[in-house]
This record gives sequence, C-alpha cells and structure tokens, in this order.
Amino acid sequence: AQRVTQPEKLLSVFKGAPVELKCNYSYSGSPELFWYVQYSRQRLQLLLRHISRESIKGFTADLNKGETSFHLKKPFAQEEDSAMYYCALSPSGGYNKLIFGAGTRLAVHP
Amino acid sequence: DVKVTQSSRYLVKRTGEKVFLECVQDMDHENMFWYRQDPGLGLRLIYFSYDVKMKEKGDIPEGYSVSREKKERFSLILESASTNQTSMYLCASSSPAGESDTQYFGPGTRLTVL
Repeated sequence: AQRVTQPEKLLSVFKGAPVELKCNYSYSGSPELFWYVQYSRQRLQLLLRHISRESIKGFTADLNKGETSFHLKKPFAQEEDSAMYYCALSPSGGYNKLIFGAGTRLAVHP
Repeated sequence: DVKVTQSSRYLVKRTGEKVFLECVQDMDHENMFWYRQDPGLGLRLIYFSYDVKMKEKGDIPEGYSVSREKKERFSLILESASTNQTSMYLCASSSPAGESDTQYFGPGTRLTVL
C-alpha cells in the first residue's frame, strides 16, 4: 500500500535550534517526494522536491531509499518557519496525484 | 503566477442540501484535484480530472461527485450533504508539462454542515 507517515503532530523548538521533521513512506516503485508548507492564513504551497536536491529557505531533505525516509531539516529554526508541513509522495504514472501525510505543525518560539 | 480560486471561503449548509464548490484556474492546466483537509488526517484526495469531461475517483469519493465541462473549471458536488462532510476543501491544479509534479492550491473552502 502507498502511504506517507509523519509521526509527529507537533514539533516545538526555540529559535536557533535545529529542526528535523520526519517523513517515512511506503511505496514499491521509485517515489517522487515533496514537502509542502502552509503558513498561517496562506494557501498550501510547494517547499521542495527531492529531485531538485536544492535548499529552500534553509531547508533540505534527503531521500533515503534504504530507510524509506525523506526527513526535512534546517540547522537553525526561525520564528517565520512556524507552519504546517506536509510530506507527499507522487506515484509514477499517476496523473501527478499526491499522497499526503497527516502533517506536522512546527512551532518556533522566540 | 498560477492562480487557483475557489468560489467561497466559508460555507454553511444544512444536512441533505446539495452543495456546489467551484474551482477555477487560470494557467491552462490539464490536471485538477479536489482534496479535503482534516486535522490529524492531512489531505485526502476525493476526485481528480486530467482533461475536460474526464474524472477519476480518489481515495474518498463516497458522497461526492465532480464536473469538468471546461478546462479551467472543476466543480465538487455534495449530492446530499451530511455532518461528516464538514471540512476544509482544497482545490489544486497541475500541468503534465514542465514541473508536472507541482500542484498549485486554492485558498480553500471551509464547509460546515449543520
């Protein structure tokens, strides 16, 4: 079964602390994985995709096929990073459908 | 910039009513999607469409139907609204060309069924 698991509902850190939002997936093929973010009162938007291998707003994510994980990391959290983060998987040949995890709320305190 | 708009931000309906949620995108995207967003459950796909008049069921289609008569517009229909359909509904669009995986989302419609 295709599934995305985000084990933490809430992650609470202080400004300047490292952040790691966990994402594990279950998929038999070669997955395409994404992180989407929703800031307060804003629409859901793409943060980064694993095939780009780029850093967006200081966030990076590495696909680990052995551990079937795609954790999102940032070395020094900022208050403006507070948001809802969703990990998503796109099955191959699936009309760009996305399978989302339950989401993790990141709260960065001053 | 891709613009995806939804007809209402907030909607209150009564049990048994027929409800229409409208979504319009202005980027000539082939693919359009309807999700519902619930705390603790994330986003779940209701229906999607890859072309005009084409539709496919998502993971939770029961109690919903869709219509895509024009490329830019994708409607979600609740045939007989029930209280368990109270939720945030998100529309999205994407294109097979370019960065095809990127879905662009609308602002959402918060539907309350009384």
